[in-house]
Amino acid sequence: QKEVEQDPGPLSVPEGAIVSLNCTYSNSAFQYFMWYRQYSRKGPELLMYTYSSGNKEDGRFTAQVDKSSKYISLFIRDSQPSDSATYLCAMSEKGSARQLTFGSGTQLTVLP
Amino acid sequence: SQTIHQWPATLVQPVGSPLSLECTVEGTSNPNLYWYRQAAGRGLQLLFYSVGIGQISSEVPQNLSASRPQDRQFILSSKKLLLSDSGFYLCAWSLTGGYSGANVLTFGAGSRLTVL
Repeated sequence: QKEVEQDPGPLSVPEGAIVSLNCTYSNSAFQYFMWYRQYSRKGPELLMYTYSSGNKEDGRFTAQVDKSSKYISLFIRDSQPSDSATYLCAMSEKGSARQLTFGSGTQLTVLP
Repeated sequence: SQTIHQWPATLVQPVGSPLSLECTVEGTSNPNLYWYRQAAGRGLQLLFYSVGIGQISSEVPQNLSASRPQDRQFILSSKKLLLSDSGFYLCAWSLTGGYSGANVLTFGAGSRLTVL
């Protein structure tokens, strides 16, 4: 079993839809959670960063962490074609990038 | 502001040829530096990381090596490429440990290597 599981998709939605992207994990010691967005043929860029459980909102994006279920989600409201990308979750126990564990990524396409 | 440069963006190399990928960071001092490989559907695999000049830690035994000749320069090399070395290679940097946000990676644009 992988330490972090992420549905690879691909996921296609119409413009304006609400998108839900998810990751599950097995290590209960994880406490830092991130979402990266990666456009085709580019490097990933940090989208959302959360610590411990709870929600964090940034514009159309909401990151949610449920440590009791070992489950994290990224919601995108009013999705746009420019949101088409691969979304990677990442998590770590401590504040060290060396320890980050990445999901395999979910490929999202928002159709105009 | 900090920027990270990685080159070349794309290269096609024959099996058995050498490899050199370069990465430089601007706008910060003493960053932690990383090389990742990304295979389709397999996420990011950490290959090497460095906390300072000449200090390299290897995460996975392989045909590759890394060097850090200057504070903000990180090089990925191979003496003889294998077919299995094909992939998308990403350089990244982070703040050193103890700083808020030290677990956040900033990635370069990547280098796509095809070994034929």
